[in-house]
This record gives sequence, C-alpha cells and structure tokens, in this order.
Amino acid sequence: DAKTTQPPSMDCAEGRAANLPCNHSTISGNEYVYWYRQIHSQGPQYIIHGLKNNETNEMASLIITEDRKSSTLILPHATLRDTAVYYCIVRTRGGATNKLIFGTGTLLAVQP
Amino acid sequence: DVKVTQSSRYLVKRTGEKVFLECVQDMDHENMFWYRQDPGLGLRLIYFSYDVKMKEKGDIPEGYSVSREKKERFSLILESASTNQTSMYLCASSSQRGGRDEQFFGPGTRLTVL
Repeated sequence: DAKTTQPPSMDCAEGRAANLPCNHSTISGNEYVYWYRQIHSQGPQYIIHGLKNNETNEMASLIITEDRKSSTLILPHATLRDTAVYYCIVRTRGGATNKLIFGTGTLLAVQP
Repeated sequence: DVKVTQSSRYLVKRTGEKVFLECVQDMDHENMFWYRQDPGLGLRLIYFSYDVKMKEKGDIPEGYSVSREKKERFSLILESASTNQTSMYLCASSSQRGGRDEQFFGPGTRLTVL
C-alpha cells in the first residue's frame, strides 16, 4: 500500500474553512484516497473518498491534484465538534481484504 | 442509523486470564475487522473476516484468535492476556454492496492487563 504524509497538527478558527493536506506521491493508478477522522475516545468515522475527480458530500470536500500525488480535505465551516485526528489513507477498493492502514494523522484543533 | 457495538468500553484483566471482546453490527455487513490502537503506532489490523466462519490474519495476529459463528458477531479472544496487550481495541464492519466499502467502527474497548 502507498504511504501518506500528513502534518502532525493544525489549528483552525471556528467558522472558518479547515484545509488538511496529504501527500501520497507513490499512489498507484488503481488506489483511491480515503479520509477518516477520530474524535477523542470514539472509533474512526468515514468522511469521504475519491479517485481523481474532486468529491463533495455533506461532511467535506476532497480536492485531488491532477497528478494525484497530493490531496486536500476541506471542512468548509469548521466547528468545535470537528476537533479530531484526521487520517488520509490510500488503498484499492473492493475485494475481500479491504483493510485500512492508518498512519498517525493530523490533529485538527478548532479554536473558538 | 447504522451501528457497531462493542461489549465493553473499559475492561481490566489480570495477566494469564482469557479475555473475550465482542463486536456486533446491525448492517448485515459481510466483512468485519479487529484493530488495536496504540499511541504513536496508529491502528493496526489484528484479524478480519469476510464471511461467517471465515477468518484471515492481519498484521499482528500473534497472541489473538477470533470467532465468527454468526454474520453479525465477531469475537476477539486473548487466550492468555499479557501486559503488552493493554491497548484500545476497535471493531469495524464493511460491505462491498452498492459500490461503497467504507468501514464503520465501534466505540472501542480500552483493555488494561495488570
């Protein structure tokens, strides 16, 4: 599986957009970019995923560069409840062994 | 609302005890997973199962076994607990149906082995 690189921590003011970067320079053509987050004392929660096109859902937007070597997760209006560790993961989809490999992620602290 | 539940949030056991961690999902998912999470190491896969009575070793299966007798239930067993198994244990489930395969996680069980 390709590895990802994320900053260990970021701050964001409440109500502002939070932009979380991820580098995945060795990503393969059939690997997707997934984002999960983990709020303190809870299990991880799926946010969004994409292959090469930008994606948006009710939680966030995912911007993937044209060369697919990096991506950015955008929380458009961060709230205090978005304080969490955010994990960027690259993996293939489907199959019986669709395990996730979590790195150490980015701790996003939303400040009031 | 989809749900993965784990039998305990906190558990304290003694070295050498046999420990059972239970996980139940109500989404009819075929895949189920057990991870452990330790500071600085992220989540590591212990075992997973893609069907009833089927199991596959993950990255760190030593000292653990699993059981999946029913589709909705996946148990993690520590045959003889040791202090290095003190950790947060997370269960997850997923399905490939509908083209979506994201994993849904339970709240975790924090196990302390004394």
